[in-house]
Amino acid sequence: DARVTQTPRHKVTEMGQEVTMRCQPILGHNTVFWYRQTMMQGLELLAYFRNRAPLDDSGMPKDRFSAEMPDATLATLKIQPSEPRDSAVYFCASGLWPFFGPGTRLTVL
Amino acid sequence: GENVEQHPSTLSVQEGDSAVIKCTYSDSASNYFPWYKQELGKGPQLIIDIRSNVGEKKDQRIAVTLNKTAKHFSLHITETQPEDSAVYFCAASPSGGQNFVFGPGTRLSVLP
Repeated sequence: DARVTQTPRHKVTEMGQEVTMRCQPILGHNTVFWYRQTMMQGLELLAYFRNRAPLDDSGMPKDRFSAEMPDATLATLKIQPSEPRDSAVYFCASGLWPFFGPGTRLTVL
Repeated sequence: GENVEQHPSTLSVQEGDSAVIKCTYSDSASNYFPWYKQELGKGPQLIIDIRSNVGEKKDQRIAVTLNKTAKHFSLHITETQPEDSAVYFCAASPSGGQNFVFGPGTRLSVLP
């Protein structure tokens, strides 16, 4: 049963701390997306990769967010420094017609 | 850029009745329209999709219709069941899976 996995599932941290979220896309999928979900903004595309190369990260605050794919089995989303307004659920998805992971619920105090 | 609107934001139906959710999009270049179901605490899951060269698609109790001229598409769920209760999202995208834009979601409650 192929699925996208994300770690951690929950993260509580204090303002100013670094947060790293990890994603393992479905094997063979060469397109990977990062989405953020909040009540106010809904599902927002932060960044996406194809064949590990970033194609669009215009939805991401550049000063504090960074996304990478060190290899085909790992995508990371990093926030440094974190702020309370970053509190949201962050989803990784893979595939041309995205299959979503379970999400990381981030709370920044 | 693409803008997707979705109505209603909440919908309550009696078990066994039908539910209809409607979406409109702005970019005539969009040609792929997936629908996602999100249950509490889970990620959105693709339930059905339609491409712009098709007017209607059906999968058991779920159907989707597309009107390219009017730039709107709809999700129809027949014989609703309590397990259909969830938040449903429509989305629009050019072919190739890039730049998916999601609607704001519809919270469907199926009352027993």
